[in-house]
Amino acid sequence: DIQMTQSPSSLSASVGDRVTITCRASQGITNSLAWYQQRPGKAPKLLVYGTSRLESGVPSRFSGSGSGTDYTLTISSLQPDDFVTYYCQQYYSALITFGGGTKVEIK
Amino acid sequence: EVQLLESGGGLVQPGGSLRLSCAASGFTFTNYAMSWVRQAPGKGLEWVSSVIVGGGSTYYADSVKGRFTISRDNSKNTLYLQMNSLRAEDTAVYYCARDRFYMDVWGKGTTVTVSS
Repeated sequence: DIQMTQSPSSLSASVGDRVTITCRASQGITNSLAWYQQRPGKAPKLLVYGTSRLESGVPSRFSGSGSGTDYTLTISSLQPDDFVTYYCQQYYSALITFGGGTKVEIK
Repeated sequence: EVQLLESGGGLVQPGGSLRLSCAASGFTFTNYAMSWVRQAPGKGLEWVSSVIVGGGSTYYADSVKGRFTISRDNSKNTLYLQMNSLRAEDTAVYYCARDRFYMDVWGKGTTVTVSS
C-alpha cells in the first residue's frame, strides 16, 4: 500500500497568514492527489484534485502543487473559516490512502 | 441537488453484523464508482472499500478484507456495506462518497459502535 505522510500534524497561525501543508507519498503517485477540508462533526469537503485543480466553489486562496512523491496545499491568506482540519488522499493506487491530517489552529 | 444519505448504523456487539445503506439522488448513479470511508472517534479518515460502476470489481482495505462486502443496486440507486465479524476497532462514522478516484460528494455519515 502507498503510505501518505502528512505534515505538520497541527499548526498555529493567525488570520491573514500564508500556510503550507505537505504530503509525502511512499512512492511516486503522478499527481493523483486530492485535498479535503473537514469541519468538526461534518463530512470532508473536496478542495483540490489532480494535485492543483480547484474544485468548483472553492476560494482561490487555496492552491495545490507538487509532483512525484511530494505535494503541498497552500492557503495564501488564512480566513476565520479555515481553522479546521485538512487531509490529503492519493488515488494512484486502487487501494486509496489518506494522510494523517493537519489541524490548523488559531495562534 | 446531488445527495448521499447513509443509514443502518447502530450499536452492535463484537462478532456481530450490520448492513449500511447509502441512497443516492440528484445524479446518474450508474455513471459513478462509489466508496465507503470511515473515521474512528478523534482519528483521521480511513478508506474502507470501493466498487466500480457495474459492481464487477471491488476493492478493500486490508483491515476489513474478508469481513466486509461492498455492493450496489443500480436499480435502486443504493450502495451497501455488509459488515460481519465486527470488532471494537470498527467503531467509527461511516461515510459513503461518490468516487471519481477522488471523492467529490459525501454523505453526512452513519455511526457504528461495536461494544458489549
